[in-house]
Amino acid sequence: NAGVTQTPKFRILKIGQSMTLQCTQDMNHNYMYWYRQDPGMGLKLIYYSVGAGITDKGEVPNGYNVSRSTTEDFPLRLELAAPSQTSVYFCASSYSAGNTIYFGEGSWLTVV
Amino acid sequence: DAKTTQPNSMESNEEEPVHLPCNHSTISGTDYIHWYRQLPSQGPEYVIHGLTSNVNNRMASLAIAEDRKSSTLILHRATLRDAAVYYCILRDPTGNQFYFGTGTSLTVIP
Repeated sequence: NAGVTQTPKFRILKIGQSMTLQCTQDMNHNYMYWYRQDPGMGLKLIYYSVGAGITDKGEVPNGYNVSRSTTEDFPLRLELAAPSQTSVYFCASSYSAGNTIYFGEGSWLTVV
Repeated sequence: DAKTTQPNSMESNEEEPVHLPCNHSTISGTDYIHWYRQLPSQGPEYVIHGLTSNVNNRMASLAIAEDRKSSTLILHRATLRDAAVYYCILRDPTGNQFYFGTGTSLTVIP
């Protein structure tokens, strides 16, 4: 199994541009998450989903949008990119709220 | 989810045991204690979890205080590959989200 796959791995955006970070998992997990990690800091939850068609905000949702049309995919959209969104983004999934969480390898985003 | 407190950094000599502490004084009765670690330039990976009793697996041991307000992750023989940031997290199986703190950065000295 591939686990949690994120694309792209690296991206440079100009201020005001928009983009979508893709995330897909092949473990039939119900729960999916998006985190961001600033340099030297811990992970902060952006959005999460408990199943297809259901999404909810985490700690730092401003400037982002998500959708969950299928169990496998949980894309994260950045609208009007700002330098403050320069970060590493991690997608994760778990079967349920109490189960082990599996993370993707991360997407490094720089906004200039 | 309740919050956890960990030291920012710790050092250990290679092949010696390491005890990584975590305080969670506001833990609720349904919170599980999870540990994850993050190697450089990688996503976090699961290490171990427990509820009340001490737990062992091939990676580590988890010692949980009787009052559950603190726990300790034990690496029995630290290797250079164990150098990482270790996160202690509380997860409520009935809740939908959880939060990472800043973790403990472990340095292993050859």
